[in-house]
Amino acid sequence: TQLLEQSPQFLSIQEGENLTVYCNSSSVFSSLQWYRQEPGEGPVLLVTVVTGGEVKKLKRLTFQFGDARKDSSLHITAAQPGDTGLYLCAGGAHSLGSNDYKLSFGAGTTVTVRA
Amino acid sequence: DAGITQSPRHKVTETGTPVTLRCHQTENHRYMYWYRQDPGHGLRLIHYSYGVKDTDKGEVSDGYSVSRSKTEDFLLTLESATSSQTSVYFCAIPGTDKNEQFFGPGTRLTVL
Repeated sequence: TQLLEQSPQFLSIQEGENLTVYCNSSSVFSSLQWYRQEPGEGPVLLVTVVTGGEVKKLKRLTFQFGDARKDSSLHITAAQPGDTGLYLCAGGAHSLGSNDYKLSFGAGTTVTVRA
Repeated sequence: DAGITQSPRHKVTETGTPVTLRCHQTENHRYMYWYRQDPGHGLRLIHYSYGVKDTDKGEVSDGYSVSRSKTEDFLLTLESATSSQTSVYFCAIPGTDKNEQFFGPGTRLTVL
């Protein structure tokens, strides 16, 4: 069972359109990250959000952390072919009774932007 | 970019053979992580290490063992590979912010 549920699983849009990817959980996280992964490579961090209700913007990408710190969204405005990739969300929390910090990942959303 | 490499990058092996994957970092981090990535599952934690000779299990540790004899190297061993262990394996280390992780390039393992 996935701790973090991402939707949709696949998304194909035309260049210039907007898109939103969702990441939902029943658990509370101390932080939430969004990663982007291209074929044959490891995930690359896009952003970290730590405060409930926080909104961060990176150029055409807008990231939001839910007030209860259980969910997040990624919105891309005017998508470009270079935005194509696998988008992963990950929630961070300490293990019970230890200082070890672990990430739990969603299954990912494959985004294809057609030229 | 974080100094983290993995070897080999690709491996094909047969069921029942032992396999060892290596992760090497130049950032002197205490923590290192091994994940596997499969379609529909995202990344799942196999084992992690919080120091030399200090390791612990993740959510999918069955069939895997790890060793950390020095800070820079974290080895993942499949004692007797099975077809269900066909996957892409990623190693990761924390960033300057503990919330973040930097990933290696991955090892694609195929067990026939």
